Amino acid sequence: DAGITQSPRHKVTETGTPVTLRCHQTENHRYMYWYRQDPGHGLRLIHYSYGVKDTDKGEVSDGYSVSRSKTEDFLLTLESATSSQTSVYFCAISEEGKNIQYFGAGTRLSVL
Amino acid sequence: GENVEQHPSTLSVQEGDSAVIKCTYSDSASNYFPWYKQELGKGPQLIIDIRSNVGEKKDQRIAVTLNKTAKHFSLHITETQPEDSAVYFCAASKGAGSYQLTFGKGTKLSVIP
Repeated sequence: DAGITQSPRHKVTETGTPVTLRCHQTENHRYMYWYRQDPGHGLRLIHYSYGVKDTDKGEVSDGYSVSRSKTEDFLLTLESATSSQTSVYFCAISEEGKNIQYFGAGTRLSVL
Repeated sequence: GENVEQHPSTLSVQEGDSAVIKCTYSDSASNYFPWYKQELGKGPQLIIDIRSNVGEKKDQRIAVTLNKTAKHFSLHITETQPEDSAVYFCAASKGAGSYQLTFGKGTKLSVIP
């Protein structure tokens, strides 16, 4: 998975609790992305980062925040998880000047 | 924003037959079109991509065609094999400066031995 590690791989949590998902890359790529994947919706962009401390919103950013304090790490936080955030979350990376995105193995999150 | 429509949502073919998956996009500024394959329990993997200055690209049994005028692009898999069974996603991007991908909803391909 192109030097991308997502953690945890599986998580079950309760409604209202905070959750942080981590994406770690060893490729030194500038761009990092968080997507969620739901049946019938394909992959939808939540947030992306174009450098350390530089982030922007994607299509479905409500209820999510991100942080990138180091090139290699991109964190996705659900401040107060809701059942609608039950999903599979994928991190992706891409190089400066190139469109190709490489994906991690995903984190399956269940909010009960 | 960009909207990508993908058809069909499911496709079953006999081993050895060809499979075709079609996508349309809405934003004429899009210029990069990748295809991803996702196996069960794994992340999507890029299998082929095409840029708007090219009409067709081939890689062994896989080919992609692009019609910029009609704003649609297609994935063609020939001589299908059971290991081609997976979910396939098309996507579109405006390219440099954004790199954001908008994905279709996916096609589940089943190759019947």
